[in-house]
Order: sequence, then C-alpha cells, then structure tokens
Amino acid sequence: GENVEQHPSTLSVQEGDSAVIKCTYSDSASNYFPWYKQELGKRPQLIIDIRSNVGEKKDQRIAVTLNKTAKHFSLHITETQPEDSAVYFCAASSMNRDDKIIFGKGTRLHILP
Amino acid sequence: GAGVSQSPSNKVTEKGKDVELRCDPISGHTALYWYRQSLGQGLEFLIYFQGNSAPDKSGLPSDRFSAERTGGSVSTLTIQRTQQEDSAVYLCASSLGGGGRGGAYGYTFGSGTRLTVV
Repeated sequence: GENVEQHPSTLSVQEGDSAVIKCTYSDSASNYFPWYKQELGKRPQLIIDIRSNVGEKKDQRIAVTLNKTAKHFSLHITETQPEDSAVYFCAASSMNRDDKIIFGKGTRLHILP
Repeated sequence: GAGVSQSPSNKVTEKGKDVELRCDPISGHTALYWYRQSLGQGLEFLIYFQGNSAPDKSGLPSDRFSAERTGGSVSTLTIQRTQQEDSAVYLCASSLGGGGRGGAYGYTFGSGTRLTVV
C-alpha cells in the first residue's frame, strides 16, 4: 500500500522567512496530492492540491511542487505570517486505492516573531 | 448541508459503554471517510464508504468498531465496550470523488467528535 513520509516533524521559522515541508510517497500510481492545514483545536482544511499531470502550482504565498520521477512533493510558504502557525499534512491519493487519501504524520510549523 | 456536520461535538463515556458518533456529509458527496486523531498525532484512517457500501474497512482497530451509512448520506460510527485507548478526536470527511474513478478531490472535514473514555 501507499506510504507517505513527511519531514520535518517540527519547523520553526522567523516571521517573513520562507518555510518548506517535504514529503515522499511510495506508490507510483498516486496521482493526487493535497495539503491540509490544521490550526489548534480545529478541523484540517484543504489549502492547496496538485495532480500528477502538473509539476508546480501556486496560490498567493503558497506553492507546491511535484517530482513524479523521484516520488516527492513539497509545500513552500513564502513571507510567513503568524497565522501560518499550524500543523500541515501532506497526502497522496490513487484511483487504484479507490481515491482514498493517505496522510503524512504532519509538520508543526511555528512562526517566530 | 453547507458543510460536514458531526455530532456530538464532545462525548465523555465510561469504560465499557457503547457510543455512537454521527456524520452528516455535504449533500451530493458520494464518498465518506472516518479518521481518528489522537492528541498531537496524525490522521489514522478507519473506514471509507462509497455510497452505502464500505469497500475499505482496513483501518478499523478491532471488532469493537463498526460503521454504517444509509441512504448514501448519514453515517454512524459505533464503538462497543469502549476502552481508554479509544479516547481521541474522530473526524469524518466527505468528498465528490472516490470509487477509483480517478477523480480524486480533496476532503471536506467535519469538526470532529472528541471522545473521552473515563
């Protein structure tokens, strides 16, 4: 089955700097890669996603990149702000697995003042 | 509805009692998923529904856990003879995709039910 590894588990960056979270996946059939943000005590919310037919997608300060050959994908947050502090989960999905999403273990991002 | 609704939002139960957790997905979402999140941990998959059928129950931790979905809408997760290790937040999510049609979409999560077994 699919295995999604996520690094680092904890990340602290100075406000205004960039943050990068990296994930790898094992199933080459995975074709959809969403990212979720979970603020303390709240539900996970989809912030951006990418499908396997594109290599990069950007939405304001957030970008995701996908390298299908290496089976890794990354989340980039630029000009970080205090409200970016949260736990971020990467995930992978494949139609071979009924489109079920497998999540990484999460990265706790701290934005330092 | 406008979002995924879960009830109750909090449940405290005594060890050994049965509990039922309810999820009302977004109208029209055929795929429904249950996950469990222990304090400070990741999202543990429990079970997935496509319509009323459950093609994947692989994540259910034991036979004390069961779930059903009726009318392609509301789902109920039942935990029998609760144990302290069952304490967690139980999250439900629904999606337009699923079923292996390759049209995967992101999930919309409910707010969860925080279950505490004392």
